[in-house]
Amino acid sequence: GAVVSQHPSWVICKSGTSVKIECRSLDFQATTMFWYRQFPKQSLMLMATSNEGSKATYEQGVEKDKFLINHASLTLSTLTVTSAHPEDSSFYICSARDAIARSSYEQYFGPGTRLTVT
Amino acid sequence: AQKITQTQPGMFVQEKEAVTLDCTYDTSDPSYGLFWYKQPSSGEMIFLIYQGSYDQQNATEGRYSLNFQKARKSANLVISASQLGDSAMYFCAMRERGYSGAGSYQLTFGKGTKLSVIP
Repeated sequence: GAVVSQHPSWVICKSGTSVKIECRSLDFQATTMFWYRQFPKQSLMLMATSNEGSKATYEQGVEKDKFLINHASLTLSTLTVTSAHPEDSSFYICSARDAIARSSYEQYFGPGTRLTVT
Repeated sequence: AQKITQTQPGMFVQEKEAVTLDCTYDTSDPSYGLFWYKQPSSGEMIFLIYQGSYDQQNATEGRYSLNFQKARKSANLVISASQLGDSAMYFCAMRERGYSGAGSYQLTFGKGTKLSVIP
């Protein structure tokens, strides 16, 4: 149980286009999902916290108009990278917290999406 | 100041030996949680072990144990009987209580330690 999927697992897009990444909790409901970005050989940096039915909370320095987050249901959050640039190339990982809180602390991570902007 | 510090960029360990990965943290919140995750080359984040700030005993999960020294603000991961499959990046992370519902579950990660197990 407690599986989180991401789609696509990798994507290559041209500079200036938009890319949507989906994060789904497959066997539990997630009121809160988190989006992280990881550059090569670096740590995970939290980009935003996504709450079902409300606006996402973005971390300082993350452009909310560039990284659009929608948490439309208890099992789906999407991250759209708008007008992508080569510097947006990164590994994007989502995590989800079980709304029923099977444990008081665990988050479940998706397998990540590797974005390359050419 | 960094909230999570992992001072070992890389570590080598002989197969079947034990290894300790260091992690120190900085928080003024009395209620917090500490996590260790493993990230193999595939990129997925694998949860290993958790220690709550109020837990009296050190956490253990199979071959993983967490050496929690609260006064020193350290939460080192000990892997016993290393296996070749343990070769990966290891991240220490902290969750602070925060003051908003969703924010209570945000994780702050350290820079990671790359562990290589030698046959």
